[in-house]
Amino acid sequence: AQSVTQLGSHVSVSEGALVLLRCNYSSSVPPYLFWYVQYPNQGLQLLLKYTSAATLVKGINGFEAEFKKSETSFHLTKPSAHMSDAAEYFCAVSLAAGNKLTFGGGTRVLVKP
Amino acid sequence: AAGVIQSPRHLIKEKRETATLKCYPIPRHDTVYWYQQGPGQDPQFLISFYEKMQSDKGSIPDRFSAQQFSDYHSELNMSSLELGDSALYFCASSSGENQETQYFGPGTRLLVL
Repeated sequence: AQSVTQLGSHVSVSEGALVLLRCNYSSSVPPYLFWYVQYPNQGLQLLLKYTSAATLVKGINGFEAEFKKSETSFHLTKPSAHMSDAAEYFCAVSLAAGNKLTFGGGTRVLVKP
Repeated sequence: AAGVIQSPRHLIKEKRETATLKCYPIPRHDTVYWYQQGPGQDPQFLISFYEKMQSDKGSIPDRFSAQQFSDYHSELNMSSLELGDSALYFCASSSGENQETQYFGPGTRLLVL
């Protein structure tokens, strides 16, 4: 079984400030981990994924995430927030390739000018 | 690049009516997944198909059925619709070469009145 917990349903950051979104997972086997972004009234866009290669994963739009097995975490960061980063972000886990994704509750990011 | 196509994008139905949602995966993708996202909630896995066979089943009501056709497109059939079925329904697809990564369509927004 697997589960995902995202700490903070809402995060507010100033433009140019660090974005940090927290994700902790529970998995019975080494997981595949993902971050997706959802803009209002749109689908889910893949930001980045961890598939047991490098623990520091770089994604699109300047985002990156670090897999820490000891902490069962996969936090998402971006050094400098942009207004266009305002969206909802979902962390997700799957147990194997081709398996269902289990999502966290999502974190809505607000970027203040 | 071609993406996942879902139709219709919006659908309004009355209680007890039926609805059919369609999903056209990315070309050469052989696996299709369906997710339901209620208002303010994270996506929940419904069902998946690999090479036209059901591969996994989640919290899909008995009133719903789905299948994948020979051209790999999939349809989600929903009967005896209830108010609680109002949600955003996502289809995602993946391929054998990159089976762990699911690419999502824009979703179908279903409103049951």
